[in-house]
Amino acid sequence: GESVGLHLPTLSVQEGDNSIINCAYSNSASDYFIWYKQESGKGPQFIIDIRSNMDKRQGQRVTVLLNKTVKHLSLQIAATQPGDSAVYFCAENILGFQKLVFGTGTRLLVSP
Amino acid sequence: ETGVTQSPTHLIKTRGQQVTLRCSSQSGHNTVSWYQQALGQGPQFIFQYYREEENGRGNFPPRFSGLQFPNYSSELNVNALELDDSALYLCASSDSRGVEETQYFGPGTRLLVL
Repeated sequence: GESVGLHLPTLSVQEGDNSIINCAYSNSASDYFIWYKQESGKGPQFIIDIRSNMDKRQGQRVTVLLNKTVKHLSLQIAATQPGDSAVYFCAENILGFQKLVFGTGTRLLVSP
Repeated sequence: ETGVTQSPTHLIKTRGQQVTLRCSSQSGHNTVSWYQQALGQGPQFIFQYYREEENGRGNFPPRFSGLQFPNYSSELNVNALELDDSALYLCASSDSRGVEETQYFGPGTRLLVL
């Protein structure tokens, strides 16, 4: 069945460190993956996405890596800042189908 | 900010009542998806609307229904509310006409059923 899971429910880092948030997915047919950031009391905010024909994509301070062999993706945040503290969700989709499948999320705590 | 708006922001209802939640999509987006997010969980797909018709549904009972209007805004209706319906309800808009299908979320409506 379809499922998206996360390895760590909480990740604590110091300001300035690099953060890595991991995610496993089980649907080998998924071909589109998205990372969202959700701050308390707000809706999920799009961070970065990647299609299955890529294994790496970079944005501003963020990088997403996709390993289709082991069905794993990760979000790397460089020079983590206190404003990065939030819950991060990975979501998977099959292009042309309607729904995003989310995991339960990883809480990132950044200490000054 | 995504440009997706939802109303109301908070709502309290009692078991058995009915509720209507509203969503305005981002300018240029023609598709609206609804999700339910229980506390401490990831969002769960309810259904999606495209061209004013339901275009896919998750594992939710028929008492969850929706509408999409010609201006692409949408409503989520829930009948016969149950305590477990207490959650954050999120809508997301996207553009199904192009290659990009990223869904952008609104701030949500927090529903409490007593």
